[in-house]
Amino acid sequence: DARVTQTPRHKVTEMGQEVTMRCQPILGHNTVFWYRQTMMQGLELLAYFRNRAPLDDSGMPKDRFSAEMPDATLATLKIQPSEPRDSAVYFCASGIPQLNEKLFFGSGTQLSVL
Amino acid sequence: AQKITQTQPGMFVQEKEAVTLDCTYDTSDQSYGLFWYKQPSSGEMIFLIYQGSYDEQNATEGRYSLNFQKARKSANLVISASQLGDSAMYFCAMRDHNTDKLIFGTGTRLQVFP
Repeated sequence: DARVTQTPRHKVTEMGQEVTMRCQPILGHNTVFWYRQTMMQGLELLAYFRNRAPLDDSGMPKDRFSAEMPDATLATLKIQPSEPRDSAVYFCASGIPQLNEKLFFGSGTQLSVL
Repeated sequence: AQKITQTQPGMFVQEKEAVTLDCTYDTSDQSYGLFWYKQPSSGEMIFLIYQGSYDEQNATEGRYSLNFQKARKSANLVISASQLGDSAMYFCAMRDHNTDKLIFGTGTRLQVFP
């Protein structure tokens, strides 16, 4: 079965360090989303891309977060510098929304910033 | 702005009974899609069911059905014949067909007891 692959699954880092999370969307999916899940805020949409072009990153703290899609097989989410409040599970999802299809989610990256 | 509301933080149901998880939404758009996802303790996001705003019939997928009441802007999930494995967080979500953004409610934790 095709699936969205996220790496790493777990990341523990110290405050101030750079964190890079990677996502390989399902081949053929034209839209990629990044979500952050915390107990307090639930699932927040951080950014999303269609055909590799960023459509909306208004959910992302601009000063420290950046999201890119260098090619169709890779999406990245970077945090620099990381802070303890960034601790969360970060999900990548891909799909073809124009076909009214569901989004396929990766397993998430559990980030802990100490 | 679009909004999804899930007013039940937690629900309990006995095995083999049916349960309804509430979801209301707010949008000024005519075309949108409604989704339910399940998140077990393992953390993965599992798609359950989809309803389009123009679909006249309520969606069904096995033991899951979506009670879609467009005038009331509600999209409740009905799980029939609950099983212990249904214990999980359940998220209602809405996609704006203009932007393809998928936004989530805060979720309902369902616990099924024997």
